[in-house]
Amino acid sequence: GAGVSQSPRYKVAKRGQDVALRCDPISGHVSLFWYQQALGQGPEFLTYFQNEAQLDKSGLPSDRFFAERPEGSVSTLKIQRTQQEDSAVYLCASSFGTGGNQPQHFGDGTRLSIL
Amino acid sequence: EDQVTQSPEALRLQEGESSSLNCSYTVSGLRGLFWYRQDPGKGPEFLFTLYSAGEEKEKERLKATLTKKESFLHITAPKPEDSATYLCAVQAGDFNKFYFGSGTKLNVKP
Repeated sequence: GAGVSQSPRYKVAKRGQDVALRCDPISGHVSLFWYQQALGQGPEFLTYFQNEAQLDKSGLPSDRFFAERPEGSVSTLKIQRTQQEDSAVYLCASSFGTGGNQPQHFGDGTRLSIL
Repeated sequence: EDQVTQSPEALRLQEGESSSLNCSYTVSGLRGLFWYRQDPGKGPEFLFTLYSAGEEKEKERLKATLTKKESFLHITAPKPEDSATYLCAVQAGDFNKFYFGSGTKLNVKP
């Protein structure tokens, strides 16, 4: 497809388990972003990649959160030793350039529920 | 501290009843202001980008305007299919980080 694709769409895990969320950006998009969206709130920035380089990870809540984009295309957000407060929708977005001022195009997210 | 505030939190309109949504922001070095529409269970869908005060953009029944402190999304003669949450985001700083507001949930009744 032409849009940003995220998988799985839903993930249920027990507290303490590790999870991995995948993002396939729009082909050719250099910039990739991860956001966390709580119910009734706007998305909150987690991290930003330019190609394979992670240029900003200031929004990651703790060292249990880790993101990678090894070949500058697909990205994975990993959460280790999940906790109930990690329950949220995780959104991935991509944009064409690196110079800013460009809209980000979002996937439909992964809804993560921690029991 | 950079901040984006949207109002109202929720808005109910009758079909055909025009109104405006507000997005006020306090950021250093604004690079762009973006409006998105989000339907339940979906990711935000891009609507408009505004770069400088005085700029306006239109798309069907929607019109976005920008001043130095806020942006308005005007909805003219809305239809039920316009019901969604409308998100405002600002981009500032060296990278492409977006700061989102909490959104306005719009419900248009037939």
